[in-house]
Amino acid sequence: LAKTTQPISMDSYEGQEVNITCSHNNIATNDYITWYQQFPSQGPRFIIQGYKTKVTNEVASLFIPADRKSSTLSLPRVSLSDTAVYYCLVGDYETGFQKLVFGTGTRLLVSP
Amino acid sequence: GAGVSQSPSNKVTEKGKDVELRCDPISGHTALYWYRQSLGQGLEFLIYFQGNSAPDKSGLPSDRFSAERTGGSVSTLTIQRTQQEDSAVYLCASDGRDTDTQYFGPGTRLTVL
Repeated sequence: LAKTTQPISMDSYEGQEVNITCSHNNIATNDYITWYQQFPSQGPRFIIQGYKTKVTNEVASLFIPADRKSSTLSLPRVSLSDTAVYYCLVGDYETGFQKLVFGTGTRLLVSP
Repeated sequence: GAGVSQSPSNKVTEKGKDVELRCDPISGHTALYWYRQSLGQGLEFLIYFQGNSAPDKSGLPSDRFSAERTGGSVSTLTIQRTQQEDSAVYLCASDGRDTDTQYFGPGTRLTVL
């Protein structure tokens, strides 16, 4: 399973764009990159997933360079409610099973 | 139901007692996962079910931990002779073969006194 490395914490202000980068140097060919968000006392919630290049949805964008050894979650114009822990994970789905290996995540604090 | 549900939401028990935690996955989801999250830590994988079978039990921390799933739906995680280090939030997730994401329940907060 590919190990991921991401910053322990980040601080931002309302209205700013936040970029959280995750390193996954030993990502495998079949691995997808998935980001989850977790609020206190809640289970993680899926944000976005990608394989290569760029993926965008209503919540965030995910940028993946050609070598796929890293990825960047971009949150546009954050608000106070975006304060949470963000987890980057890699894994494959070929077998229909993904044992997600969560690291400690990035704790994002958005201030007024 | 609309999402993954877990019960109880909170459980306080005394050291040495057995506890059972329940997970009700999203209807139709064949895969079910149990994770544990200690205070301030990331999630730790415990066990995975595909249908009623558990091809990967590698994360269970000791033989005091066991899990079963019946009817391809509800799963129970049992911890025997609980210890204080078992205190954590136990999270359950499910996914279907046509989805690439795991949907998590709200978790059960276990406190062993």
